[in-house]
Amino acid sequence: GAGVSQTPSNKVTEKGKYVELRCDPISGHTALYWYRQSLGQGPEFLIYFQGTGAADDSGLPNDRFFAVRPEGSVSTLKIQRTERGDSAVYLCASSLVAGTGASEAFFGQGTRLTVV
Amino acid sequence: SQQGEEDPQALSIQEGENATMNCSYKTSINNLQWYRQNSGRGLVHLILIRSNEREKHSGRLRVTLDTSKKSSSLLITASRAADTASYFCATSSGNTPLVFGKGTRLSVIA
Repeated sequence: GAGVSQTPSNKVTEKGKYVELRCDPISGHTALYWYRQSLGQGPEFLIYFQGTGAADDSGLPNDRFFAVRPEGSVSTLKIQRTERGDSAVYLCASSLVAGTGASEAFFGQGTRLTVV
Repeated sequence: SQQGEEDPQALSIQEGENATMNCSYKTSINNLQWYRQNSGRGLVHLILIRSNEREKHSGRLRVTLDTSKKSSSLLITASRAADTASYFCATSSGNTPLVFGKGTRLSVIA
């Protein structure tokens, strides 16, 4: 595809349920980022991948959050036992490289998660 | 945690005026990027300036970087109603990911 694709675009779930959010990055981009954004705030870093491995997961708020990128392309953000405070827009981005030579990041349209 | 802090938080100007937004950050960086966001969804990259650059232009955008003051500014000249959006700075250092500020909400009134 031409850009970063995130599915679903909207997700409403009940408190306590498990959700998976999917990100399909731009082909060939080795770096993939997940961010969370609440209303009126900037994107808050969660985790980023270099290839298949999580290079930095220091932004994950607790052990209910987990992300994988098994083949170095598509990534899934998994949230267990969702809480109302998890409601936010979850943004995924990819870039050619990360770290010292970081290039521009291309963002998907996000998944708006609402926990009721 | 957020590295960058944009100033002002909100800015309202008339069409045709220039808009200036500032960003301050705390640690040394490799580069600084500015992004734009409409309606709280995907961000769009505007411009990247490296730590050894002082000024960069792209169309109606002008970005400056002062590493001694750990600050950057984004100037949009001859603003248009379509420039209404939130603008974020994001910094990159070492092997850390892009870290965003809280943004400036710009309103351009026709």
